[in-house]
Amino acid sequence: DAKTTQPTSMDCAEGRAANLPCNHSTISGNEYVYWYRQIHSQGPQYIIHGLKNNETNEMASLIITEDRKSSTLILPHATLRDTAVYYCIVRWNTGNQFYFGTGTSLTVIP
Amino acid sequence: GAGVSQSPSNKVTEKGKDVELRCDPISGHTALYWYRQSLGQGLEFLIYFQGNSAPDKSGLPSDRFSAERTGGSVSTLTIQRTQQEDSAVYLCASRTPSSYNEQFFGPGTRLTVL
Repeated sequence: DAKTTQPTSMDCAEGRAANLPCNHSTISGNEYVYWYRQIHSQGPQYIIHGLKNNETNEMASLIITEDRKSSTLILPHATLRDTAVYYCIVRWNTGNQFYFGTGTSLTVIP
Repeated sequence: GAGVSQSPSNKVTEKGKDVELRCDPISGHTALYWYRQSLGQGLEFLIYFQGNSAPDKSGLPSDRFSAERTGGSVSTLTIQRTQQEDSAVYLCASRTPSSYNEQFFGPGTRLTVL
């Protein structure tokens, strides 16, 4: 599975959009981009995934560049409960494993 | 509905002892994963079960680690002769047979080896 690079930490003001970047320059054509988050002392939680097209659900939007070498997770109106570590993962969608890196620690500031 | 449950939530043991960690997946979820998360680190894949297929054990760090899944449901992760470096949160996750996208995680077991 392709390696991903994320900033170690980010801050975002409450009510503003949080934009979390992820680089995956070695992604292959059949690999998907997944995002999970982990709130302190809890297990990770699925957010969203995509292959080529931008995706949106009730939690977030995923923007994937045309060359697929990077993506951005957007939380449109961040709340304090969005403070968590956000993991960007690239993998075959039928693969066994999810390789979680160290993620981005997002702190939403009141 | 009931999510993935793990027990115990916390386990403190002495170096050299064996420990067993339990995972109860969501009913109907035939795929089950174990991960380890050391302090300040990301999740490290340990083992994967899918139905009656042979498990993917490629992430187990040593032969002191083993896991079983009885009856396609409950899973037990066993660590023999525990070492201090085994101290971590051990997370279990399950998913449905057809949905490769979303894993549902349990709350984890925090293991401390003294």
